[in-house]
Amino acid sequence: NAGVTQTPKFRVLKTGQSMTLLCAQDMNHEYMYWYRQDPGMGLRLIHYSVGEGTTAKGEVPDGYNVSRLKKQNFLLGLESAAPSQTSVYFCASSYQGRRDGELFFGEGSRLTVL
Amino acid sequence: GNSVTQMEGPVTLSEEAFLTINCTYTATGYPSLFWYVQYPGEGLQLLLKATKADDKGSNKGFEATYRKETTSFHLEKGSVQVSDSAVYFCALYNTNAGKSTFGDGTTLTVKP
Repeated sequence: NAGVTQTPKFRVLKTGQSMTLLCAQDMNHEYMYWYRQDPGMGLRLIHYSVGEGTTAKGEVPDGYNVSRLKKQNFLLGLESAAPSQTSVYFCASSYQGRRDGELFFGEGSRLTVL
Repeated sequence: GNSVTQMEGPVTLSEEAFLTINCTYTATGYPSLFWYVQYPGEGLQLLLKATKADDKGSNKGFEATYRKETTSFHLEKGSVQVSDSAVYFCALYNTNAGKSTFGDGTTLTVKP
């Protein structure tokens, strides 16, 4: 029973490099989210998706792109990494039918941009 | 818009002490309210929730009551343990928006 799985769990990049974080969920959830967590700032929503083939911007979308080609996967891309994107990234999913919005989180991906 | 304000930390308590972490919110409509907990090195997990006014959520000795009149959802536990040391996040979910809003988190450290 995997739940929400994020890969990779750790990554170090140089400024200007690109990378993709993968989130996979096996709970058949419609909604998926990418957050970043920075000290003293809680969780901030980057992008989210309410279904396969759809994406929307959150609070802090600049510098990131996302894709949801399959219902179970939600990819977060950094085209040209910057030191300000050093953070811990969390993916989450929820089941639309519940209507209460309970989130199920992955274990996080720690990204350092030098 | 929606917002969540929770008690600033860090909070340090001795084992068996009483815990309160305050949380107030601003939202349109009737949001669902949550407390999530993050143990060191892990992702967030649901601690408890309440979906309508006057509901009380409870789990693992923690409780919180949805107070619409004071727009609050304070977290309480009568006797904390060292294993409760973690970061606690208050959050709301607004069905119309389709997304959650989080507070900044409160770090709790319980000493033996």
